[in-house]
Amino acid sequence: SQQGEEDPQALSIQEGENATMNCSYKTSINNLQWYRQNSGRGLVHLILIRSNEREKHSGRLRVTLDTSKKSSSLLITASRAADTASYFCATDGGNNDMRFGAGTRLTVKP
Amino acid sequence: KAGVTQTPRYLIKTRGQQVTLSCSPISGHRSVSWYQQTPGQGLQFLFEYFSETQRNKGNFPGRFSGRQFSNSRSEMNVSTLELGDSALYLCASSLLAGGRTGELFFGEGSRLTVL
Repeated sequence: SQQGEEDPQALSIQEGENATMNCSYKTSINNLQWYRQNSGRGLVHLILIRSNEREKHSGRLRVTLDTSKKSSSLLITASRAADTASYFCATDGGNNDMRFGAGTRLTVKP
Repeated sequence: KAGVTQTPRYLIKTRGQQVTLSCSPISGHRSVSWYQQTPGQGLQFLFEYFSETQRNKGNFPGRFSGRQFSNSRSEMNVSTLELGDSALYLCASSLLAGGRTGELFFGEGSRLTVL
């Protein structure tokens, strides 16, 4: 079963705009991770935020975590056409395995 | 350092057949997890192996099985294939067991089509 749910399911923006994706999860976590997947390829790890952290940055990525609301957001600033991909949040569901949400399909138009 | 290698990349089978997929993790990684990805169900956790032992199993029927060898390479097997087994099967390795350790490193996947 899936642990996280991303919102929105699909997002289309213009190059240069910011993209925000949200993730909600159900159980307590040790960490939350975001991954990116280009069409039909494997997933690539973007960023990990631990349960005792509230915000983390990596380049153009900013992740926030609100454990009281069981939610996280991924912000991509100054988006590029190359950012077009699906983005997934993943949480350790308490059984020491990583569970993924359904993903947000991001399209960045040049 | 070589990444996670999955073979074969593409395969076509017919209903009732069985299939074996292989995954070679990053050197030094002892944990291998398998996921099934379909458009309708998203990424579903199949199982995780660590040091040749299955640590966790997702909600899949017994037709789905796996194993891990002493060199950490893993195989998964699906018997009596059904049309609904058509999917991208992804393997991921990590240094230690479970999600507590940090990132998973994914292979490019094996795309299975069942006719």
